[in-house]
Amino acid sequence: DIQMTQSPPSLSASIGDRVTITCRASQAISTYLNWYQQNPGKAPRLLIFGASTLQSGVPSRFSGTGSGTDFTLTISSLQPEDFATFYCQQTYKTPVTFGQGTKVEI
Amino acid sequence: EVQLLESGGGLVQPGGSLRLSCAGSGFMFSSYAMSWVRQAPGKGLEWVSGISGRGGSIYDAASVKGRFTISRDNSKNTLYLQMDSLRDEDTARYYCAKDRGYGDGGLNAFENWGQGTMVTVSS
Repeated sequence: DIQMTQSPPSLSASIGDRVTITCRASQAISTYLNWYQQNPGKAPRLLIFGASTLQSGVPSRFSGTGSGTDFTLTISSLQPEDFATFYCQQTYKTPVTFGQGTKVEI
Repeated sequence: EVQLLESGGGLVQPGGSLRLSCAGSGFMFSSYAMSWVRQAPGKGLEWVSGISGRGGSIYDAASVKGRFTISRDNSKNTLYLQMDSLRDEDTARYYCAKDRGYGDGGLNAFENWGQGTMVTVSS
């Protein structure tokens, strides 16, 4: 199975901060990498697919880069609704696997 | 508007069975792969099973292989998860998710999610 490792597991930030979360795959996955946001008590929401394509309706402060094994999610200016847990996911090969999550806190 | 509504969760004893359902609306159900994803209390996301649009391809996580069966009835716009031989570690909220890829291909990205149904395995 492809292991997805996110860092950091959690971070503290303030409104307006630039935040970067990294995700590393245990083997090359091209750009079959997606990012999700989950607010407490809510279902996950797709933010970015194909490593860098913004899902419709997602604010442009979110961006994704990377290919192969190393990927990043960047929030350019943190907003109150962005305090949540973020997950990366690979769909290069089944079983589909998620990272362990990164909790963004105040 | 795409809507996914899960049902069928509840409390079951270890070794028991449950069948989850996910009713889809607002999209051409048979044209999209679907998946089940679970989340144990306080834990991260774990993909469980996926199925192609016409049901010809099925994918399972090792943790549920041989115990859970994913299926779909495209005439009813409904996805199912038959869960047998349930274990304590299967306790989780189970989400169904619609893939963003159109057609009968593999799993891509999970574009829409239901609100989930809670399954509790306990004696």
